[in-house]
Amino acid sequence: DVKVTQSSRYLVKRTGEKVFLECVQDMDHENMFWYRQDPGLGLRLIYFSYDVKMKEKGDIPEGYSVSREKKERFSLILESASTNQTSMYLCASSFPGRTSYEQYFGPGTRLTVT
Amino acid sequence: EDKVVQSPLSLVVHEGDTVTLNCSYEVTNFRSLLWYKQEKKAPTFLFMLTSSGIEKKSGRLSSILDKKELFSILNITATQTGDSAVYLCAVGRTTSGTYKYIFGTGTRLKVLA
Repeated sequence: DVKVTQSSRYLVKRTGEKVFLECVQDMDHENMFWYRQDPGLGLRLIYFSYDVKMKEKGDIPEGYSVSREKKERFSLILESASTNQTSMYLCASSFPGRTSYEQYFGPGTRLTVT
Repeated sequence: EDKVVQSPLSLVVHEGDTVTLNCSYEVTNFRSLLWYKQEKKAPTFLFMLTSSGIEKKSGRLSSILDKKELFSILNITATQTGDSAVYLCAVGRTTSGTYKYIFGTGTRLKVLA
């Protein structure tokens, strides 16, 4: 079974704090993704990575950065948390390539910024 | 702009009913359409469709894609309370050699006993 784990299920941070969300997958997937999920907006892609040290911006990268130093680990960083970053954050991984593969999701981190 | 639209937004049915969930899309460089079920945790994969007119089936769930009219439906027959969830539709597309997914906002299904 593919397993994607995220470092925290729930997180409460203060405005201006630097926040790290970590994601680890155990299936040797090349591709990893970070999404945020908000009511009425669905899942929106923040960043993705198709290899170690490689990253690409998704649709809403502002206020976020990422790090992929090892194949199995993909970190999302909120440089200075703001209240509009309160959301559910989902990490996913998949095999690479131009053909279709399903994404496997982690359980999500519900982040509240006060 | 690429978009994926799901309807209805929410649905309440009774056990035993049949439901049809819709997903329409306008996406460049379409490669696949995927359905996920999300309960109070991670979305779990249901189906992936790449060819028009070929039905995918798993138990009481089935799905079909129409690439000419740009939509897909997900059918659930003989619904059970365990089918209560948010159903997500995602479209995979290639852009500049990389593969990305665009998600709809989901349909929230509640099945009453």
